[in-house]
Amino acid sequence: DAKTTQPPSMDCAEGRAANLPCNHSTISGNEYVYWYRQIHSQGPQYIIHGLKNNETNEMASLIITEDRKSSTLILPHATLRDTAVYYCIVRERTSGTYKYIFGTGTRLKVLA
Amino acid sequence: NAGVMQNPRHLVRRRGQEARLRCSPMKGHSHVYWYRQLPEEGLKFMVYLQKENIIDESGMPKERFSAEFPKEGPSILRIQQVVRGDSAAYFCASSPRADYTEAFFGQGTRLTVV
Repeated sequence: DAKTTQPPSMDCAEGRAANLPCNHSTISGNEYVYWYRQIHSQGPQYIIHGLKNNETNEMASLIITEDRKSSTLILPHATLRDTAVYYCIVRERTSGTYKYIFGTGTRLKVLA
Repeated sequence: NAGVMQNPRHLVRRRGQEARLRCSPMKGHSHVYWYRQLPEEGLKFMVYLQKENIIDESGMPKERFSAEFPKEGPSILRIQQVVRGDSAAYFCASSPRADYTEAFFGQGTRLTVV
């Protein structure tokens, strides 16, 4: 089962920041938090990942709380093309192997 | 460097037929993951393979489903005697090693069982 919980849907005005929350209260110390998104049922697209520190790349920022039990993905200036389902994932390690367990995600709708 | 290639993109099978889904990982990637996505649902992990080995098949149904990743050629997900409930999108992802920072997904194969 997924280790993450996310709100099922959110709306955001175009040009504003989209803040997508994620709870992962059972995360282990060495497990990373990943964010992927899926546009129109295409293949999931990697956005960003982090362990403890906040991370930023050309797509988004990831804010992880100090206790690592929750995180927030920030799209600084949302566009219509950011409308998608966003998945917060804890990459699980089992017997030396890794796998990504997807939850139900947040359906973000960016409004014009 | 081409991305992860899946074919066919769309596949229609009658109940009872076999479906074979192919996944060619990115160049240099020896780790492949298969996922299934039912309509309006998230992706469900099925199986994780390295070249010639099944590492984790905890998400595979016990019957009719099998996967392989031979030394040469693409990874194959095989569904025997398909039923309507197998209708879904099947995605594969690849990475160059187990602990790589991200997995790269293909565009999926949409299987419709009629």
